[in-house]
Amino acid sequence: SQQGEEDPQALSIQEGENATMNCSYKTSINNLQWYRQNSGRGLVHLILIRSNEREKHSGRLRVTLDTSKKSSSLLITASRAADTASYFCAPETSGSRLTFGEGTQLTVNP
Amino acid sequence: DGGITQSPKYLFRKEGQNVTLSCEQNLNHDAMYWYRQDPGQGLRLIYYSQIVNDFQKGDIAEGYSVSREKKESFPLTVTSAQKNPTAFYLCASSSPPRGLLNQPQHFGDGTRLSIL
Repeated sequence: SQQGEEDPQALSIQEGENATMNCSYKTSINNLQWYRQNSGRGLVHLILIRSNEREKHSGRLRVTLDTSKKSSSLLITASRAADTASYFCAPETSGSRLTFGEGTQLTVNP
Repeated sequence: DGGITQSPKYLFRKEGQNVTLSCEQNLNHDAMYWYRQDPGQGLRLIYYSQIVNDFQKGDIAEGYSVSREKKESFPLTVTSAQKNPTAFYLCASSSPPRGLLNQPQHFGDGTRLSIL
């Protein structure tokens, strides 16, 4: 199994701004998932992008995947204070378990 | 409402004591997982189970044990052999296609374990 590495480790923005988080991984994948974790809670699945997809949208979320660069990004548009959380990527390779990186801690200031 | 329930929310362990964390799901999922999360860190897989009466070690299984006697239940025992058990423990489940473990996982709200 392989672990995704999120970048940056921490991000602080003002409400209304966009937030971009990046994820890099090392080997070929079947899909890549993004999760959110509010402080002291479990993870919540946000979006899954398959290796043959380049971009996916869900509400204010936009995920891109560049398999040639082995990287993905999560964009949150028009951020809100409620978006304050840690965000994790989880790349998945065939037959392996999901593994989670250390996450990006996003703080959205009102 | 379908979901995963972890209990208790907070747990304290004395030296030399085994403690068991409960995880129950009513999502009819086949696969269940236990993760450990240390402050400011990602999740590390302890054990996982793809089907009843079967489970596999994850990356940090030493000092832990599990059972999977029922589809909806996957309890985790933290034994006295686990010398540094203080952490946040998360249980998850998923409904993978046959043989694959790549579907979105649903998480409980965790149990925070501390040493007295």
